[in-house]
Amino acid sequence: DVKVTQSSRYLVKRTGEKVFLECVQDMDHENMFWYRQDPGLGLRLIYFSYDVKMKEKGDIPEGYSVSREKKERFSLILESASTNQTSMYLCASSLSVGAGGIYEQYFGPGTRLTVT
Amino acid sequence: KQEVTQIPAALSVPEGENLVLNCSFTDSAIYNLQWFRQDPGKGLTSLLLIQSSQREQTSGRLNASLDKSSGRSTLYIAASQPGDSATYLCAVSPPELSFGAGTTVTVRA
Repeated sequence: DVKVTQSSRYLVKRTGEKVFLECVQDMDHENMFWYRQDPGLGLRLIYFSYDVKMKEKGDIPEGYSVSREKKERFSLILESASTNQTSMYLCASSLSVGAGGIYEQYFGPGTRLTVT
Repeated sequence: KQEVTQIPAALSVPEGENLVLNCSFTDSAIYNLQWFRQDPGKGLTSLLLIQSSQREQTSGRLNASLDKSSGRSTLYIAASQPGDSATYLCAVSPPELSFGAGTTVTVRA
């Protein structure tokens, strides 16, 4: 079974802190994704990566950065946390198919981040 | 930009009734469509993936159909059980996923 793990289930941080959310997958997937999920807004893509050291902005990248130094690990960084970044953060991974497509996405359990 | 809509937003049925969940998308040029289940406070579990060349996929009591030309997919859950209570999300790709807002299902015992 594919396993996607996230470093924390719950996290509480103060405004202005630098926050690191870690995601690890064990199936050698090329693609990894970070989403946030908010009531009434659904899932929104923050950043994704098709390969090591490669990153692409999603729909809402402002206030976030990412790092992918190894194929199995994709980190989301909040450079200076703000209260409007309080949310559920979900990581996912998938294989690639040809012509830039992706195959089935597998999700981690999520990290509920509260910024006070 | 791809837009995905799920109707209804919420559904409550008695145990044993069949469930029909609808998903529509605006751009028919998709690679695949995926249905997920999400329990409260948890991550997403993949239920079914339909490739763009397929018309349907089945897994146990679940059956999902895809009509690319009309931009629609339907998830059928036969003989619903209280354990089916969850939020169901559909998402389309290319290449990253665009999600609908979900349908929250309650199955009453």
